[in-house]
Amino acid sequence: KQEVTQIPAALSVPEGENLVLNCSFTDSAIYNLQWFRQDPGKGLTSLLLIQSSQREQTSGRLNASLDKSSGRSTLYIAASQPGDSATYLCAVVPRGTASKLTFGTGTRLQVTL
Amino acid sequence: DADVTQTPRNRITKTGKRIMLECSQTKGHDRMYWYRQDPGLGLRLIYYSFDVKDINKGEISDGYSVSRQAQAKFSLSLESAIPNQTALYFCATSDLGEAFFGQGTRLTVV
Repeated sequence: KQEVTQIPAALSVPEGENLVLNCSFTDSAIYNLQWFRQDPGKGLTSLLLIQSSQREQTSGRLNASLDKSSGRSTLYIAASQPGDSATYLCAVVPRGTASKLTFGTGTRLQVTL
Repeated sequence: DADVTQTPRNRITKTGKRIMLECSQTKGHDRMYWYRQDPGLGLRLIYYSFDVKDINKGEISDGYSVSRQAQAKFSLSLESAIPNQTALYFCATSDLGEAFFGQGTRLTVV
């Protein structure tokens, strides 16, 4: 059974810092990996989707990498801002599972002034 | 309009009552999903559907049922709500690629 772990569970950084969020998964047979942002009590906003054949994806200040062989993905946020404060969720679609997402429990990020 | 719309956004109901959560999507995708989110447990899959004739149980389907009324509509029912079904419920849709989520329904069973 695929398991997804996100470390750290919570992170506080001062504004302007570059930071890395980590996601690990136990089975490298995945179809894709997706990073989401969730504001308190709100829905999930898709940030980046990495297909299994890709190594990384970039959107603005966000860069996500994927290393299937080691079962790891990182989300890099450059020049963090208070508006980046949210919970970041990583989810994988294991191969042969009909696009069912398996989620990590998230990293709660706080960017302070 | 949002790609995935859930109604209601918030609901408080009493133990034993039947309640339906509704979801509609404008992405034109065949695949739709219902997840629930509990603090510390992440999101867990309740039911999923590939089309109107294909309904499948997820990892936590007990106490829930679903109906796929059309390609764009997928509803979740709690036949007899119980307090441990208090959670944030999400509907999602995908096309083998990116998944799109609704804003969630916060359900409280008292």
